[in-house]
Amino acid sequence: DIQMTQSPSTLSASVGDRVTITCRASQSISTWLAWYQQKPGKAPKLLIYKASSLENGVPSRFSGSGSGTEFTLTISSLQPDDFATYYCQQYNSYSPVTFGQGTKLEIK
Amino acid sequence: QVQLQQWGAGLLKPSETLSLTCAVYGESFSGYYWSWIRQPPGKGLEWIGEISHSGSTNYNPSLKSRVTISVDTSKNQFSLKLTSVTAADTALYYCARPIFRGSRALDYWGQGTLVTVSS
Repeated sequence: DIQMTQSPSTLSASVGDRVTITCRASQSISTWLAWYQQKPGKAPKLLIYKASSLENGVPSRFSGSGSGTEFTLTISSLQPDDFATYYCQQYNSYSPVTFGQGTKLEIK
Repeated sequence: QVQLQQWGAGLLKPSETLSLTCAVYGESFSGYYWSWIRQPPGKGLEWIGEISHSGSTNYNPSLKSRVTISVDTSKNQFSLKLTSVTAADTALYYCARPIFRGSRALDYWGQGTLVTVSS
């Protein structure tokens, strides 16, 4: 299986900050990567697919980049609604789907 | 508007079989792979497996020996069975649909079903 490693596990930041979350794959997955936001008691919400494509309705302050084994999710200016847990997911066609362990974004 | 509605038993004893069903409304069933994902309390997401409208399946290797995902296209439903459950199978279980036919990035999710395994 392809292992996904996110960093950091926890991130403390303030409203207005620019934050970056990193996800590394144990082998190349091209751009078959998605990012999700999850709030307590809710299903995950798709933010980014194909590494950098923004899902409809997701604010433009969210962006994704990367290919191969290293990927980033960037929030350009944190808003109060953005404090949540974020997961990356690889979906290479030839492997089982796997998720990163999550990054909890907390208010500083 | 696509909606996924799921149901099933929420409390099981060890060694019993978990059984959940997900109904799909407002969307054609064909052309997608439909997924099951679970999340133990306070932990991360784990993909269980997926099924196409024609019944082709892919499973998480760590669960493969205990998992069966099936589909009923006449009802636009797909189901999950997990045998011989233990406390480690206690989790919130979700069904989900990918954003595009041929993708596995998941944009529609069911409401989740909490399954607790306890004697």
